[in-house]
Amino acid sequence: DVKVTQSSRYLVKRTGEKVFLECVQDMDHENMFWYRQDPGLGLRLIYFSYDVKMKEKGDIPEGYSVSREKKERFSLILESASTNQTSMYLCASMGFNEKLFFGSGTQLSVL
Amino acid sequence: GNSVTQMEGPVTLSEEAFLTINCTYTATGYPSLFWYVQYPGEGLQLLLKATKADDKGSNKGFEATYRKETTSFHLEKGSVQVSDSAVYFCALSGRSNSGYALNFGKGTSLLVTP
Repeated sequence: DVKVTQSSRYLVKRTGEKVFLECVQDMDHENMFWYRQDPGLGLRLIYFSYDVKMKEKGDIPEGYSVSREKKERFSLILESASTNQTSMYLCASMGFNEKLFFGSGTQLSVL
Repeated sequence: GNSVTQMEGPVTLSEEAFLTINCTYTATGYPSLFWYVQYPGEGLQLLLKATKADDKGSNKGFEATYRKETTSFHLEKGSVQVSDSAVYFCALSGRSNSGYALNFGKGTSLLVTP
């Protein structure tokens, strides 16, 4: 089975800190995604990447950046964390048949 | 742009009741349509999909038919179980110049009581 691993299950950071969320997949998938999940808003796409060093903005990229230096790793960066970025962050990779495989999520709290 | 609208929850049903969760979409081109499920404390997982008009996706007793004429992909199950309690997300794929991305609805929470 495909495994998508997110480095932290829970994270607490302070306002203004730079935050790195890491995601690794083990199936050599080209497409990887970062979503945030908020009550009443569902999943919203932040960024996605279709190849190493390639990235594309999703619906809510403001305040975020990403890095894809290796095919298996897709990192989400909060340059200066703010309280409105408190959320559940979900990483996913896509197989050839459009099936998304999700990680367990990182619950980020920004104080 | 592409978007998905789901009926709002929560939906509460008794065991063995019939389930329908409505989903309609707006899209350019011919997207694939999906239902994902998130059980309590777990990540999302694919429940079923359909790739073209009139296709029916099915899995674990759930079904959904891709209706192009009504731009809908409603999820149905004839007899729900307590173990079906979860959040259900409708989604569609969209192709940009660069690749695929999935757009999700807001999710519908289902609670099945014994």
